[in-house]
Amino acid sequence: GAVVSQHPSWVICKSGTSVKIECRSLDFQATTMFWYRQFPKQSLMLMATSNEGSKATYEQGVEKDKFLINHASLTLSTLTVTSAHPEDSSFYICSAHAAGQGRNTQYFGPGTRLTVL
Amino acid sequence: QKEVEQDPGPLSVPEGAIVSLNCTYSNSAFQYFMWYRQYSRKGPELLMYTYSSGNKEDGRFTAQVDKSSKYISLFIRDSQPSDSATYLCAMTLYSGGGADGLTFGKGTHLIIQP
Repeated sequence: GAVVSQHPSWVICKSGTSVKIECRSLDFQATTMFWYRQFPKQSLMLMATSNEGSKATYEQGVEKDKFLINHASLTLSTLTVTSAHPEDSSFYICSAHAAGQGRNTQYFGPGTRLTVL
Repeated sequence: QKEVEQDPGPLSVPEGAIVSLNCTYSNSAFQYFMWYRQYSRKGPELLMYTYSSGNKEDGRFTAQVDKSSKYISLFIRDSQPSDSATYLCAMTLYSGGGADGLTFGKGTHLIIQP
């Protein structure tokens, strides 16, 4: 149980285009989902917190107009990188908090590797 | 100073050895401490979860938290080649609300030699 999937697992796009990444909780309802970014040899960095049905909360330094987050249902959150540039190339990982479980129990997806040319 | 410091390694030990992995942190408000294991090209998998100071044991894994020193450890007994992975420490505040985002260390790359 507690499986989180991400799609796509990797994507290559041209500079200036937008890319959408999906995060799904497959066998549980996720009241809260988180988006992280990991650059090579760096820590996983929290980008934003997403609660179902409400606007995402972004961490300092993360542009909300560039990284659009939608959490329309209890099993799906999407991250759209708008007008992507090479510096946005990174490993994007989502996690989901299962409703009714320990407050800090998060299950992570396998990640999406984004390369912007 | 980064919020969470973790030696990236690699740390290479022979099979059967006891492994000690550590993190230090600067924010005394952190109250929940976790250890995750991450295999290459996979998402992190939760290994241990501890609230405040103390020890917690689960099979071959023992997590220790010393809040007075802002130091956390993960011990792996009878290490196996399958334990080879990157181990991430993570911690979070208590916000009083729902689930909170995590602050991670860089991860330690562990290699268990057969």
